[in-house]
Amino acid sequence: EIKLVESGGNLVQPGGSLRLSCAASGDTLRSYDMNWARQVPGKGLEWVAHITASGDTKYYADSVRGRFTVSRDNAKNSLFLQMNSLRADDAGVYYCATHRSGIYYTWGQGTLVTVSS
Amino acid sequence: EIVLTQSPATLSLSPGDRATLSCRASQSVGTSLNWYQQRPGQAPRLLIYDASDRATGIPPRFSGSGSGTDFTLTISSLEPEDFAIYHCQQRSKWPHAFGGGTKVEIK
Repeated sequence: EIKLVESGGNLVQPGGSLRLSCAASGDTLRSYDMNWARQVPGKGLEWVAHITASGDTKYYADSVRGRFTVSRDNAKNSLFLQMNSLRADDAGVYYCATHRSGIYYTWGQGTLVTVSS
Repeated sequence: EIVLTQSPATLSLSPGDRATLSCRASQSVGTSLNWYQQRPGQAPRLLIYDASDRATGIPPRFSGSGSGTDFTLTISSLEPEDFAIYHCQQRSKWPHAFGGGTKVEIK
């Protein structure tokens, strides 16, 4: 069974950048399409980005398109989210999750991003 | 873009009670509707997919129903570990949006 662990969350100033990572263990990440989702604590979930197993196709939420980039390194069993031009409303807990046919099967525990001056 | 509205926002119940949670879509999603449970301080976990199919390891007290625009998650008899936030999510069209969540709290 695959296990996912996110890292890279931190406090960053508005306009700054962060790179989140999602490390997989227990199975090979290359078998899975992957998603990033985020959640303001106490609020609902928001899908952020999607990448196919091969990395050939990527989708983004309108709110992050042009600022965020999803990528993966299947050889290192890792998924990434490069976040640029961060805004206050980008703050929250970011989760990576395996994704098949629109279903989020396995989630990581999340990493907290705080955007504040 | 399909919008999912969950109601109520908060449900105050006692252990042993029956919980009925609603998720309404702004347009038909067929049966392409999933439910997730999120316990305090934890990541979400898949409960129900395709409106009514329980995920692996999910106990039978959880059941899902509905099609088109109206969906229901029912917990037949609440256990202490069921007090959590429940999210619905549609997979009919991109973006695969989530609802705002329903918190089931102890009365």
